[in-house]
Amino acid sequence: KAGVTQTPRYLIKTRGQQVTLSCSPISGHRSVSWYQQTPGQGLQFLFEYFSETQRNKGNFPGRFSGRQFSNSRSEMNVSTLELGDSALYLCASSLNRAGTEAFFGQGTRLTVV
Amino acid sequence: GENVEQHPSTLSVQEGDSAVIKCTYSDSASNYFPWYKQELGKGPQLIIDIRSNVGEKKDQRIAVTLNKTAKHFSLHITETQPEDSAVYFCAASTLNTGNQFYFGTGTSLTVIP
Repeated sequence: KAGVTQTPRYLIKTRGQQVTLSCSPISGHRSVSWYQQTPGQGLQFLFEYFSETQRNKGNFPGRFSGRQFSNSRSEMNVSTLELGDSALYLCASSLNRAGTEAFFGQGTRLTVV
Repeated sequence: GENVEQHPSTLSVQEGDSAVIKCTYSDSASNYFPWYKQELGKGPQLIIDIRSNVGEKKDQRIAVTLNKTAKHFSLHITETQPEDSAVYFCAASTLNTGNQFYFGTGTSLTVIP
């Protein structure tokens, strides 16, 4: 059974640009969440989707957005990139609405220059 | 919101010894507590989890204990091996909020052969 797949693995962008990251959950998983990981702030929750609906959103500016498609695949978008957006972006999926047994992908390493 | 504190930040043990990592949480509504192991260049890997209606859970060399009254939970690794070396994160969430986890700041465990 394939795990959570995130693409691309690495990305370099310039300040002011926008970026879209993709996450394919484990087959059958309907809940997808996104996290930002940085050395200074650790793992911080961005948002969570279940059956194409955003159920929860973390404390991030509106430049961070996401969506989930009918096949449970999810994308997150960051507009007007800032240097501080450089981070590892992680996606996690779980089978049920409760969110237990969440499995993470390997992440997308975003560097903003 | 929930605040999860994790100690120690670094831990070195001799191979074969036990390792204990402790976490506290602030929100009494939290009722699901997973532990993740993150190796360099990889996403967090779920190693064990516990729900608030259970006081202890074991899986081979790994165990987690939960004290709801004191709002703390701990990870115990026995007979440590070099491959246990990694960063370990505790997390807390409320079932029904999906994968909205509040993570601790991580413990870097080094097992010395």
